[in-house]
Amino acid sequence: NAGVTQTPKFQVLKTGQSMTLQCAQDMNHEYMSWYRQDPGMGLRLIHYSVGAGITDQGEVPNGYNVSRSTTEDFPLRLLSAAPSQTSVYFCASSALETQYFGPGTRLLVL
Amino acid sequence: AQSVTQLGSHVSVSEGALVLLRCNYSSSVPPYLFWYVQYPNQGLQLLLKYTSAATLVKGINGFEAEFKKSETSFHLTKPSAHMSDAAEYFCAVSPYGSSNTGKLIFGQGTTLQVKP
Repeated sequence: NAGVTQTPKFQVLKTGQSMTLQCAQDMNHEYMSWYRQDPGMGLRLIHYSVGAGITDQGEVPNGYNVSRSTTEDFPLRLLSAAPSQTSVYFCASSALETQYFGPGTRLLVL
Repeated sequence: AQSVTQLGSHVSVSEGALVLLRCNYSSSVPPYLFWYVQYPNQGLQLLLKYTSAATLVKGINGFEAEFKKSETSFHLTKPSAHMSDAAEYFCAVSPYGSSNTGKLIFGQGTTLQVKP
């Protein structure tokens, strides 16, 4: 099992550009989540999904969209990137009371 | 609302000394509590979890944590620090008493430095 995979590992965007952060898991987990990590703030939940076709907002959803068409994939879309979205993004899937995290995507918005 | 507070953003210990990382939580329901470790440029790895069974929880790499309801605490300890323990540690709580919602609330993190 590859676990939770994320692509790309690093991305530079200009303000106003859009992009999609990819996340996939091969553990057949129903629950998937996106977090952003900023210095001194821990991880904050952006969006989460309890199964294919079902998503909901977390603590900091503004500026981000998600969809869940399959159990395996949970992409995060930035519609119009802003410098405030410079961060490290982690995708996670969960089952049996444990969340498994991907390696992260480091995003820099200029 | 549930919340997590980690006391001390930076903790420094000598190799072989006791490690104590503090975590206090706020929850209106019996919580599920977690400690995660993050090594530089990596994702988060679960150290241990409390899910309303034994109050003393043992995890990987010699770490353990004790759930104290009266103090709303879940402090992480290790009797003897090793250089490889240097990392950032996060305490987290699951809303609604169950982690199977894909939601965790994290503390701010504590960076552990281990001096030779």
